[in-house]
Amino acid sequence: NAGVMQNPRHLVRRRGQEARLRCSPMKGHSHVYWYRQLPEEGLKFMVYLQKENIIDESGMPKERFSAEFPKEGPSILRIQQVVRGDSAAYFCASSQGQGASQPQHFGDGTRLSIL
Amino acid sequence: AQSVTQLGSHVSVSEGALVLLRCNYSSSVPPYLFWYVQYPNQGLQLLLKYTTGATLVKGINGFEAEFKKSETSFHLTKPSAHMSDAAEYFCAVSDQGGNQFYFGTGTSLTVIP
Repeated sequence: NAGVMQNPRHLVRRRGQEARLRCSPMKGHSHVYWYRQLPEEGLKFMVYLQKENIIDESGMPKERFSAEFPKEGPSILRIQQVVRGDSAAYFCASSQGQGASQPQHFGDGTRLSIL
Repeated sequence: AQSVTQLGSHVSVSEGALVLLRCNYSSSVPPYLFWYVQYPNQGLQLLLKYTTGATLVKGINGFEAEFKKSETSFHLTKPSAHMSDAAEYFCAVSDQGGNQFYFGTGTSLTVIP
């Protein structure tokens, strides 16, 4: 499967724990985007990264959330001290190049449930 | 920032009937426009996109959309609905020169046999 790979597909955490979501972009793609989808809502942009750089994090909550895209390995979205409101589906997308005309290819998402 | 409005959060059509899903955007400068489909427990799959050129865009699975600048719209259509078309459909726009995609809240399409 040469598509965007996200793992885990489902993640359950208790309040106060940490959640780590992983995303491997499509082969040849160096641009990664993270989105959050709440029930009955569309996707909300969180952060845009290129290798080793955060380009746009205007959609990220100021506290507890962080993202990285290291030179080697997948992109990681990290949520510290999770709360009930963090329960959502988190989608990663990748694109081949920069620019608004480049379509984004999505993974199947990670569904995060907070107990 | 862009905003995207999808009129009708739920649309039901009979199998074989015309599908029309509406999308309007807010921008004085034409953005890039996309339609995505999402099946349960899956990610979004690109149906079609408009960047420049012909305003009638054909996509996968028999869908097409027409960019109408005067109406700031990018409605999605399919002449004849199939049961397999039942899914959630999202319209998205991005600013020329920007990084973000802005998504509508989605339209859930039900196809009645």
